[in-house]
Amino acid sequence: SYELAQPLSVSVALGQTARITCGGNNIGTHNVHWFQQKPGQAPVVVIYRDRNRPSGIPERFSGSNSGNTATLTISRAQAGDEADYFCQVWDSNTVVFGGGTKLTVL
Amino acid sequence: QVQLVQSGAEVKKPGASVKVSCQASGYTFTTYSISWVRQAPGQGLEWMGWISGYNGDTNYAQKLQGRVTMTTDTSTRTAYMELRSLRSDDTAVYYCARLNQLEIGYWGQGTLVTVSS
Repeated sequence: SYELAQPLSVSVALGQTARITCGGNNIGTHNVHWFQQKPGQAPVVVIYRDRNRPSGIPERFSGSNSGNTATLTISRAQAGDEADYFCQVWDSNTVVFGGGTKLTVL
Repeated sequence: QVQLVQSGAEVKKPGASVKVSCQASGYTFTTYSISWVRQAPGQGLEWMGWISGYNGDTNYAQKLQGRVTMTTDTSTRTAYMELRSLRSDDTAVYYCARLNQLEIGYWGQGTLVTVSS
């Protein structure tokens, strides 16, 4: 079965740029979605189909996907960005999630 | 706007069954599948399966085959997930979600299912 690998945690200084990776075999051939989840809340999409941002999501959030790695980039990180982030793809008619990355804003 | 509203929290004893509902609004129910995803305390997201809103076709995660059943009622735009033979490690928040390869994903608010004797 297809697997997605994310770092357990990423730390970023306030105002700096955070990059969260999602690794998978030829993930560049999949459409990758990124979800943000804050404690006690349901996940919310921040990037869909590799690089598209839903309305209401700040331009500071961007995505890329190529080869074996997809990346969520958060520019000018704010305290409110502190959350868990999950990548997700469809593979062989099933939904696959990465293990999640806890973003800490210092 | 797309909304998925789930039923309330449940407490069940080991060996019992639970059925969680998810009522959709803001889109054509029969055009999309509904996925069910669970999250154990402090853990990541686990996909359980999906059901087609169009014809009721299902695809369950292998791990849950034989214990889970997903159904829909198109007249009320509601999807259901039933999990049987509950164990303590089934304690989790259960989410319904409209997940699509190309479009924005939408999630219900989650339903806490606690399995405890």
